[in-house]
Amino acid sequence: GQQVMQIPQYQHVQEGEDFTTYCNSSTTLSNIQWYKQRPGGHPVFLIQLVKSGEVKKQKRLTFQFGEAKKNSSLHITATQTTDVGTYFCAGNSGNTPLVFGKGTRLSVIA
Amino acid sequence: KAGVTQTPRYLIKTRGQQVTLSCSPISGHRSVSWYQQTPGQGLQFLFEYFSETQRNKGNFPGRFSGRQFSNSRSEMNVSTLELGDSALYLCASSLADPRNEKLFFGSGTQLSVL
Repeated sequence: GQQVMQIPQYQHVQEGEDFTTYCNSSTTLSNIQWYKQRPGGHPVFLIQLVKSGEVKKQKRLTFQFGEAKKNSSLHITATQTTDVGTYFCAGNSGNTPLVFGKGTRLSVIA
Repeated sequence: KAGVTQTPRYLIKTRGQQVTLSCSPISGHRSVSWYQQTPGQGLQFLFEYFSETQRNKGNFPGRFSGRQFSNSRSEMNVSTLELGDSALYLCASSLADPRNEKLFFGSGTQLSVL
């Protein structure tokens, strides 16, 4: 079945450093979504990418969807302590349900 | 607009018992999806309901079941609980199709099986 792999599993950065998490799918995706889950909280929607090669920015966050629509990345510039949490990508192919990656847990050291 | 409401927030059960979890979606949302979250395993899809019909089901044993009512509220049931069922159960609502729309998650029900 469809699998969505996410790396790295954990990332520790100094405040001010950049951070990137990568998402790879075994199949071509119809779209990809990104969510953030703060410690003790629930996942919160960040963005959805639909088009091949699409790039979207939200302040310090940059999201990319690969040309083949099989991979995606989330890049955070100059991390802050408020960025702490687990970032999940989720995608689907055709009529399959939305499949989540296992997430990347980001720790930011002040 | 009220968010997704899940009850109860915490639950402690023993092996062999059964449990029912409830989810009230955002008003106007007709699709409800359920996920199981365990440390290191991310969110694993359980099932999705739309207009009282199960549209998709994940790879979980038959002990896991669910339903959706005419007011879009949903329940999931786990029978003959096992220790491995301990997890955070998350419900998410969307307008119609969770594959193409943003999901709004509830705070979850933390189930502990002793």
